[in-house]
Amino acid sequence: GDSVTQMEGPVTLSEEAFLTINCTYTATGYPSLFWYVQYPGEGLQLLLKATKADDKGSNKGFEATYRKETTSFHLEKGSVQVSDSAVYFCASRGSTLGRLYFGRGTQLTVWP
Amino acid sequence: DARVTQTPRHKVTEMGQEVTMRCQPILGHNTVFWYRQTMMQGLELLAYFRNRAPLDDSGMPKDRFSAEMPDATLATLKIQPSEPRDSAVYFCASGLLGDRTDTQYFGPGTRLTVL
Repeated sequence: GDSVTQMEGPVTLSEEAFLTINCTYTATGYPSLFWYVQYPGEGLQLLLKATKADDKGSNKGFEATYRKETTSFHLEKGSVQVSDSAVYFCASRGSTLGRLYFGRGTQLTVWP
Repeated sequence: DARVTQTPRHKVTEMGQEVTMRCQPILGHNTVFWYRQTMMQGLELLAYFRNRAPLDDSGMPKDRFSAEMPDATLATLKIQPSEPRDSAVYFCASGLLGDRTDTQYFGPGTRLTVL
């Protein structure tokens, strides 16, 4: 069945450091891929998405490229800020009536 | 700015009591999801509805949990009787999911504590 695996956290970085959070998926067919972010005490918010191979999703300085050959969708940001501290979830969606398959989430803490 | 709303935001109850959580999806969205989030299990899908009809509730303990959509503006999740292991944050999400590229929008969650 469909599943998503993302790197275990927590990830701790200094401000302006480079961020990578790895995500790989297994799916039948070609799913759409998403990154969601959860700030403390809030629900999940869509950060970015990509719907086909080689697409790059981007938002707020974050980027992720849909790599079909490696079944990956790694999240990157060139220079993190304290305000980026949150939990990041990778997710896939195939054609099964809209359900998302989420990874376990990666806690990111950025220190000034 | 349309949002998914959930009530209550926090609920503390005693074991054995009934708990009802409510969700108002974004107007016009045709699909509603219920998730549970815990430290141990992460984010789990409990049930979801399309056009108010239940599509899949296989993630839900059937003996104590029930989910309904009495109308297009209200989804409910009930636990009866509640147990301490039900303590979690429960999220509702909605979407206009016509194809696989569409997005789910999450509510702020209900934090449930069962003593």
